[in-house]
Amino acid sequence: DGGITQSPKYLFRKEGQNVTLSCEQNLNHDAMYWYRQDPGQGLRLIYYSQIVNDFQKGDIAEGYSVSREKKESFPLTVTSAQKNPTAFYLCASRAGTGLHEQYFGPGTRLTVT
Amino acid sequence: RKEVEQDPGPFNVPEGATVAFNCTYSNSASQSFFWYRQDCRKEPKLLMSVYSSGNEDGRFTAQLNRASQYISLLIRDSKLSDSATYLCVVNPGREYGNKLVFGAGTILRVKS
Repeated sequence: DGGITQSPKYLFRKEGQNVTLSCEQNLNHDAMYWYRQDPGQGLRLIYYSQIVNDFQKGDIAEGYSVSREKKESFPLTVTSAQKNPTAFYLCASRAGTGLHEQYFGPGTRLTVT
Repeated sequence: RKEVEQDPGPFNVPEGATVAFNCTYSNSASQSFFWYRQDCRKEPKLLMSVYSSGNEDGRFTAQLNRASQYISLLIRDSKLSDSATYLCVVNPGREYGNKLVFGAGTILRVKS
């Protein structure tokens, strides 16, 4: 089955700890994206990568880091510098040219206390 | 002004009703447009892409008006299972890195 997987589904962390969210796709898509969603708000772009070993900051990259060492994997680290890390994190990927739609993984709900 | 604006709703409609959502976007150079559906606590799923000539998929019809910079979604014969949040999504084009811009969503509740 082709698709995007994210793990874990729910994650709980203490303030001050870094945490890494996993995103894997077997769709052979070149581009991958990380978004966060807060209640009542639209998705906001954290980081994106259009090709292996390259990534760019999105609109809210502060306090986050990523890597793209393999085409199928795009992990996101939420660092202790992120002031409001509790959110729903969504990973997406896109095939083809930039005008194509994106497909999403099931998301990880992170709670930091 | 937000880049993509939607009426948050909720739209409460009876089964079988026709309901329409509008969405406006600020960047006149935007290149591609989509409607996504998001169920509570789930990921967004592509409902349909929106083409300049308008397009239909079963009970769903999407229209694009570039002159007025708005996109619409019409749902006919609403089902209980249509209850969800509908996200209007715009791609502003290569100049902006082809990064999708998401509206905050319109909530639809279909009641029996």
